[in-house]
Amino acid sequence: GNSVTQMEGPVTLSEEAFLTINCTYTATGYPSLFWYVQYPGEGLQLLLKATKADDKGSNKGFEATYRKETTSFHLEKGSVQVSDSAVYFCALSDQKRKVTFGTGTKLQVIP
Amino acid sequence: DAGVTQSPTHLIKTRGQQVTLRCSPKSGHDTVSWYQQALGQGPQFIFQYYEEEERQRGNFPDRFSGHQFPNYSSELNVNALLLGDSALYLCASSLRTGRSGQPQHFGDGTRLSIL
Repeated sequence: GNSVTQMEGPVTLSEEAFLTINCTYTATGYPSLFWYVQYPGEGLQLLLKATKADDKGSNKGFEATYRKETTSFHLEKGSVQVSDSAVYFCALSDQKRKVTFGTGTKLQVIP
Repeated sequence: DAGVTQSPTHLIKTRGQQVTLRCSPKSGHDTVSWYQQALGQGPQFIFQYYEEEERQRGNFPDRFSGHQFPNYSSELNVNALLLGDSALYLCASSLRTGRSGQPQHFGDGTRLSIL
């Protein structure tokens, strides 16, 4: 079956530090890949997506590139802010539209 | 434009009881998916409904059942509740058309506690 593996947290960074959250996946065919974010006390929100190999999704300074050769979709941001503190989930949607989530990575940004 | 709405927000039940959770999709969406999110874990896919039929199902026992109505709203039913069913239940809606890249829009969830 499909699976998503993301780095365990929590990740603690100082403001303006560089962020990488690793995500790798296992799936048959050509899934679409997503990063969702869950801010404290709020629901899941789509952060960015990529639907085919070499696509780069970007939003709010976050980026992730769909790497089929390494089955990865790592999330990056050049300079994090305190307001980026949240739980980040990597997810895939297969061609039958079944969605599989990773376990989530908690990010804490300190001033 | 209303997003995905779920009711109730919180629910307390005892073992063996039955529960029904409700979801209204985002306006214009025709597909509803349900997820179970245990504390500290990622959402686990339960099932997905489109055109009032269950289209995909995750690894959940048949105590978990659902329904989609002609107005696209949906219900999740869980029978014979177990302590392990305590979790946040999330509903997500999306558009069926297009490739699998259609993102899902999530509701805030129903927190179910089993005593």
